[in-house]
Amino acid sequence: SAVISQKPSRDICQRGTSLTIQCQVDSQVTMMFWYRQQPGQSLTLIATANQGSEATYESGFVIDKFPISRPNLTFSTLTVSNMSPEDSSIYLCSAPGRGITDTQYFGPGTRLTVL
Amino acid sequence: ILNVEQSPQSLHVQEGDSTNFTCSFPSSNFYALHWYRWETAKSPEALFVMTLNGDEKKKGRISATLNTKEGYSYLYIKGSQPEDSATYLCAFYNAAGNKLTFGGGTRVLVKP
Repeated sequence: SAVISQKPSRDICQRGTSLTIQCQVDSQVTMMFWYRQQPGQSLTLIATANQGSEATYESGFVIDKFPISRPNLTFSTLTVSNMSPEDSSIYLCSAPGRGITDTQYFGPGTRLTVL
Repeated sequence: ILNVEQSPQSLHVQEGDSTNFTCSFPSSNFYALHWYRWETAKSPEALFVMTLNGDEKKKGRISATLNTKEGYSYLYIKGSQPEDSATYLCAFYNAAGNKLTFGGGTRVLVKP
């Protein structure tokens, strides 16, 4: 299993500003995932962060808005840039288990409110 | 676009009662179906990973069944307790992809 921590746990930000969320895993993992859950919506994958290469973004998400860093096998950051109230969400980072029949492990989430 | 639907969106259960809810997913290219429990301010916690048609899994008072031919899974909570209050998420993993697609969740509130 993997233990994942995230910082900050919550934040209230002004529109137009940016927030960087940090994710730390207690073991080395090849892939890390970033999700968001907007109010009343499904948990939606933003991007997959691979160490040593560019992150892979899902449809509807772009690097300029959600730049991701992955400097090593245990750490990643997600930045929410030029925020608007529509970015108010819970942001989760996640790491896969050993295979697709293993569970994914999640951080506790960052609850972001944009005013 | 893969469609994973959960119903109902929310339900209130009296303590001691049993309940169940549904996850429906595409029946083609099935590989695995995950269930997670997500309590507020905590990490989603894995409950089950199900891969075989007809699979039944159990963890304490919680159990799940899987029908891959018709594309649905049921989660059952027997003798609900207040600590069962959480959002229950299902997620579908298809053979063609390398990521989980989540349903919208079922929010369960168990009233004492």
